[in-house]
Amino acid sequence: QKEVEQNSGPLSVPEGAIASLNCTYSDRVSQSFFWYRQYSGKSPELIMSIYSNGDKEDGRFTAQLNKASQYVSLLIRDSQPSDSATYLCAVIGRDDKIIFGKGTRLHILP
Amino acid sequence: AAGVIQSPRHLIKEKRETATLKCYPIPRHDTVYWYQQGPGQDPQFLISFYEKMQSDKGSIPDRFSAQQFSDYHSELNMSSLELGDSALYFCASSLRGQGTYEQYFGPGTRLTVT
Repeated sequence: QKEVEQNSGPLSVPEGAIASLNCTYSDRVSQSFFWYRQYSGKSPELIMSIYSNGDKEDGRFTAQLNKASQYVSLLIRDSQPSDSATYLCAVIGRDDKIIFGKGTRLHILP
Repeated sequence: AAGVIQSPRHLIKEKRETATLKCYPIPRHDTVYWYQQGPGQDPQFLISFYEKMQSDKGSIPDRFSAQQFSDYHSELNMSSLELGDSALYFCASSLRGQGTYEQYFGPGTRLTVT
């Protein structure tokens, strides 16, 4: 079982709709979770961090964490073409290492 | 706000040559990480330094070495370059000493080995 799993996509979402990105992780002791956005050829950009169960909202982005289910998600409301990118889920493991998922490619359809 | 600085941004080398990549972390950040990202791949962790000491080692080849200096900047030294070393190399920094693990990435160095 991979430590951090994401659907590779591409996930196609109409402009203005809600994009939902999902991530599961295997290490139950993980405490820190991050979402990065990466445009092609560019560096990953931290867009959300979440540490406790529940929802965390920042503008059009909402991160959701469910530690019991070992599941973290990212919702993007009112999706824009500029949101088209690869979204990397990252988890801090038991030895304080950050582990990245392989990313989900999101394509917003104009 | 100041970000992570990497230099050079682009580098072209021939096989068997050496390369040195530099990273300047966000001011007051105490931890530096190096990643390698091939086309279509997620970032692969190479090595990290906390307070100028190596703190963790990932999939870094023996041909590569790195260090963090007294001013917290870090250098990744790559020798006997191979075609497969062509990739984007990212440096990231964090303020690990205060218990935060949020990593902020630099713009990367694109290394091409011919």
